Amino acid sequence: DIQLTQSPSSLSASVGDRVTITCRASRNIKIYLNWYQQKPGEAPNLLIYDASSLQSGVPSRFSGSGSGTDFTLTISSLQPEDFATYYCQQSYTTLFTFGPGTKVHI
Amino acid sequence: EVQLVQSAAEVKKPGESLKISCKGSGYSFTSYWIGWVRQMPGKGLELMGIVYPGDSETRYSPSFQGQVTISADKSISTAYLQWNSLKASDTAIFYCARHGPPPNAFDIWGQGTMVTVSS
Repeated sequence: DIQLTQSPSSLSASVGDRVTITCRASRNIKIYLNWYQQKPGEAPNLLIYDASSLQSGVPSRFSGSGSGTDFTLTISSLQPEDFATYYCQQSYTTLFTFGPGTKVHI
Repeated sequence: EVQLVQSAAEVKKPGESLKISCKGSGYSFTSYWIGWVRQMPGKGLELMGIVYPGDSETRYSPSFQGQVTISADKSISTAYLQWNSLKASDTAIFYCARHGPPPNAFDIWGQGTMVTVSS
């Protein structure tokens, strides 16, 4: 199995802040890393796929980078609606594992 | 509109069986994997397994192998998750989600089915 770790597990931020979340894979997964946002009481929502491709309809303040084992999700200017939990997920193998999540709160 | 619609919330007793469903519409149901994801109260996302409705190929995450059965009926564009004997620890929200490519990710999610197991 491919294991994913995320850091930090939670972070406190303010509107307008630049926020960076990191995801590390236990082995090389090339670019097959995706990012999701989940708000309380809602299903997850795809933000970024293949490490850096922005899903249709997702604001451009979200961006992703990385390859191999180290990946980053960046929110360039945090908005009130961005307070949520963010998960990474690998699609390199069909055991599509998720990371443990990063909660972004005020 | 591309969507996945899941069955309603369930309240069951330990030892009972259960089968929940996920109906796809607005796309070729047989051309995408469907995954089932568990979210226990206050916890993260865990992939349970996936099914390819085109040929019913199924793969399970090790933690869920033997604990649940995942299947699909392509004639009615519906995927299923079932338990033979529920435990209190099965209490969770269960999501189905479509996985491409394209894209190579879970891009469409069902609304979730809450399963409560309590005596």
